[in-house]
Amino acid sequence: NAGVTQTPKFQVLKTGQSMTLQCAQDMNHNSMYWYRQDPGMGLRLIYYSASEGTTDKGEVPNGYNVSRLNKREFSLRLESAAPSQTSVYFCASSYTSNTEAFFGQGTRLTVV
Amino acid sequence: GIQVEQSPPDLILQEGANSTLRCNFSDSVNNLQWFHQNPWGQLINLFYIPSGTKQNGRLSATTVATERYSLLYISSSQTTDSGVYFCAVDYSGGSNYKLTFGKGTLLTVNP
Repeated sequence: NAGVTQTPKFQVLKTGQSMTLQCAQDMNHNSMYWYRQDPGMGLRLIYYSASEGTTDKGEVPNGYNVSRLNKREFSLRLESAAPSQTSVYFCASSYTSNTEAFFGQGTRLTVV
Repeated sequence: GIQVEQSPPDLILQEGANSTLRCNFSDSVNNLQWFHQNPWGQLINLFYIPSGTKQNGRLSATTVATERYSLLYISSSQTTDSGVYFCAVDYSGGSNYKLTFGKGTLLTVNP
C-alpha cells in the first residue's frame, strides 16, 4: 500500500520556468491538499480539494494553480516560478475533511 | 484564523529521559493531529486525537478540547525520536477545511 506518492522528489528550476508537481493516493480518499514548508514557518496550505471536481484556495495560493484530475490525483502547477517559491511541497489526503490526513514524502523545489 | 502555539520550541534530552510537548490552540477544533518529521523530512502520523487520551508504545497524547490544549508524552526517549514534532488542528467554526500547523518542537535526543 503506497499511500500518498509525490513526484518528483527533487527539482531545480530557473526563474520563469513552469512545472507541475504530481500527487496520487491509493487510499480511496475524497479530500486532497497541497502544503508548502518553509524554515521556521511550519506547513501552510496552498490549495485543497474537498472532493473530486472541487478545489479551493488555502492560506498561500498566489502563484499556483491546481487540478483535481480524478479521485486519485491532485496536481500543483507553477506557471512562472519565482525564487520565493523555493520550498518543500507536501501533498496530503484524507477520507473526508476533518478526518486523519496522511502526507506524501515531499518535493524539494529550488528556484534559481 | 485559528492560532496554534507549540512549546517548547527546542528540547534536548539524554537517551532514556521523558518529555512533554504542548500544543495550545485558540479556538474549538474538529481535528487535532500530532506528527513527527524525521531527519529525512518525512511526516509520520503519531496521533489523530481531537479529544481524549491515546497511547502507542512509548508515546501517548492527551487533548483537552474544552481547555484548548493537547500534550504529547514521550517516555524513555531514543535517538530515533529526534526530529520535529508538529501539532495541527482544524478549526470547527470554519466553512472550509484547513489543517493549521504549529511551528513545531525540535527534539534532539543524545546518546
